[in-house]
Amino acid sequence: SQQGEEDPQALSIQEGENATMNCSYKTSINNLQWYRQNSGRGLVHLILIRSNEREKHSGRLRVTLDTSKKSSSLLITASRAADTASYFCATVVLTGANSKLTFGKGITLSVRP
Amino acid sequence: GAVVSQHPSWVICKSGTSVKIECRSLDFQATTMFWYRQFPKQSLMLMATSNEGSKATYEQGVEKDKFLINHASLTLSTLTVTSAHPEDSSFYICSARDQTGDFYEQYFGPGTRLTVT
Repeated sequence: SQQGEEDPQALSIQEGENATMNCSYKTSINNLQWYRQNSGRGLVHLILIRSNEREKHSGRLRVTLDTSKKSSSLLITASRAADTASYFCATVVLTGANSKLTFGKGITLSVRP
Repeated sequence: GAVVSQHPSWVICKSGTSVKIECRSLDFQATTMFWYRQFPKQSLMLMATSNEGSKATYEQGVEKDKFLINHASLTLSTLTVTSAHPEDSSFYICSARDQTGDFYEQYFGPGTRLTVT
C-alpha cells in the first residue's frame, strides 16, 4: 500500500514561477525523500529530510516537514522547462534492522517555456 | 555518488518466455537490493527485497515463483520474469543500499522497460 499521497496530482506553471508540491503520509517515519523522474527514465534523488528536521534547502529546492501534520512540501523556485517531470515523495519506515521505502503516487509538473 | 546500473535497459519478449534483468552496484557493496515495478503514469510498487546470500522477501501479492530473485553477490541481483505474459509488461527498477552508509539510503538504477508481446 502507498504511504505517501502527493497533492496536486498535476501542476502546470510558467517558467520562472515557483512550484509547490505537497505530500501527506499516514504513519510515523524515519525520513522522507523526494525524487524526480523524467518520462520513461529512472529516479533521481533530490533531497532527504529526517524526522527531526523541519526544513532543508538544496539549490532551488526547499523541503519542509511537519511531523505533527504528517506532511511535507517541496518548493522549486524559479522553475525552468527542464524541471518538467514527475515528482514522488517517499517515506522511510524502520522495521527492525531494515527499512522500507514507500512511494506516493507522484505529481506531474509541467513548466511552460 | 553511488551508481546502480541495470541491464538491459529495454527488452521485448514473446509471451511464455523468461526474461532476466540484472542490477549492479558499480562502486559500492550492497547487502540489500530492492525491486520495484511501475506501470505507466503510476507510482513505484515494491515487489521484493533481496539480501545477499539469502532468499528474497516478497511483498504481498507478488508471486515468488513468477518473479525469481537472486542476490548472488554484494554487487549483483537478478530478477527473472518467468513465463512472461503481456500483463507483466512494465518498467522494472532496482535499487541498492550501500552497506557502509546510512542504512536507509537507497540508490536507484535507470530501470528496465519490459514489453511482452
